[in-house]
Amino acid sequence: EAQVTQNPRYLITVTGKKLTVTCSQNMNHEYMSWYRQDPGLGLRQIYYSMNVEVTDKGDVPEGYKVSRKEKRNFPLILESPSPNQTSLYFCASSLLPGTKSYEQYFGPGTRLTVT
Amino acid sequence: DQQVKQNSPSLSVQEGRISILNCDYTNSMFDYFLWYKKYPAEGPTFLISISSIKDKNEDGRFTVFLNKSAKHLSLHIVPSQPGDSAVYFCAASPSFNAGGTSYGKLTFGQGTILTVHP
Repeated sequence: EAQVTQNPRYLITVTGKKLTVTCSQNMNHEYMSWYRQDPGLGLRQIYYSMNVEVTDKGDVPEGYKVSRKEKRNFPLILESPSPNQTSLYFCASSLLPGTKSYEQYFGPGTRLTVT
Repeated sequence: DQQVKQNSPSLSVQEGRISILNCDYTNSMFDYFLWYKKYPAEGPTFLISISSIKDKNEDGRFTVFLNKSAKHLSLHIVPSQPGDSAVYFCAASPSFNAGGTSYGKLTFGQGTILTVHP
């Protein structure tokens, strides 16, 4: 089954404690991306990656890091989480933009609370 | 700076009637537009898309209209069904030929909550 998986689904942590949210896709997609969803703001792109070792900032990259060492995995790293990073996070993957089927497949989401 | 706006936070329609969801954008470099549907506790799922070379794309009960001069797109659902009740997001992507890396960015609107009453 084609899917994007995220772990953990729920996480409560404290300010400053480094954490990683994993994302994996099994569709051999080149493009992967992270979003956060906040009330009234919709989905905002944090980082995206066009391929292995190619990453770039989205609209809200501050406080986040990513890496793309393998095609299937795109972890999101919060080196020093703060309460304003409390949010619902989604990972997504797709074929490259500009191809015929540039439709992103989303994971189920990770609910992060930073106290 | 909200480059993609969905000005209606919510919409309520009767089953069988038409639902029209609207989206406005400001960036003239956007040339590919998508609609996603999201149920609670799930990730968004792709619904329908349209390229700027078209003004209409239809897929079953769903039709997306694009008015480039007005920088406006709309999603029509006919007939609406209770199972269509969800949050709908429009999204926009810059031209593949825009150059640089910006064409990888995808900008979403705030979402519209659609409720279809039986």
